[in-house]
Amino acid sequence: NAGVTQTPKFRILKIGQSMTLQCTQDMNHNYMYWYRQDPGMGLKLIYYSVGAGITDKGEVPNGYNVSRSTTEDFPLRLELAAPSQTSVYFCASIRGDYSNQPQHFGDGTRLSIL
Amino acid sequence: AQSVSQHNHHVILSEAASLELGCNYSYGGTVNLFWYVQYPGQHLQLLLKYFSGDPLVKGIKGFEAEFIKSKFSFNLRKPSVQWSDTAEYFCAIGRGSGSARQLTFGSGTQLTVLP
Repeated sequence: NAGVTQTPKFRILKIGQSMTLQCTQDMNHNYMYWYRQDPGMGLKLIYYSVGAGITDKGEVPNGYNVSRSTTEDFPLRLELAAPSQTSVYFCASIRGDYSNQPQHFGDGTRLSIL
Repeated sequence: AQSVSQHNHHVILSEAASLELGCNYSYGGTVNLFWYVQYPGQHLQLLLKYFSGDPLVKGIKGFEAEFIKSKFSFNLRKPSVQWSDTAEYFCAIGRGSGSARQLTFGSGTQLTVLP
């Protein structure tokens, strides 16, 4: 059982480039999340999804897009990379019912925009 | 909107010292409370959680936390820290009963344990 898998683990982009951060989970979780983690700032929610075909903005969605075509996958896209998007990105998932279960996190993607 | 405050940004302790990390939240409704730990270069791992029942919650690796509703607090404690506890610790709250679907995280506390 792999849990939440993120790829790539590291990436360096030039300003203006685009890329997609991949996230997949094999736990049949309904809810999936993208967070960014900046030093001293904790985790900020970028986007989340409550199920296939349904996504919604979190606290810091500007500059990002998401899609959820399947239950397993929740990719995060940066269209025009900017230095302010240098961060560590974490994907997380949860079953979504009232089951007293915590969110499960992936290992993160460390992204640098130069 | 709810918020979570972790007032200690960096704590430095010697091995065997006792630990208490503060976490306060602002939200008037029912909350679920979590402490996550992030070891260097790793993802967040759940230390402990509170949904209901006994406000004193025991987690992994000897950690515990106490939910004090009147003080809106959920402080993390450990009687005797080890060098391997060096990590960043995040408090988080989830709104609503029995669910962690929407989490708000604190800014984190970096714990350094000196051997």
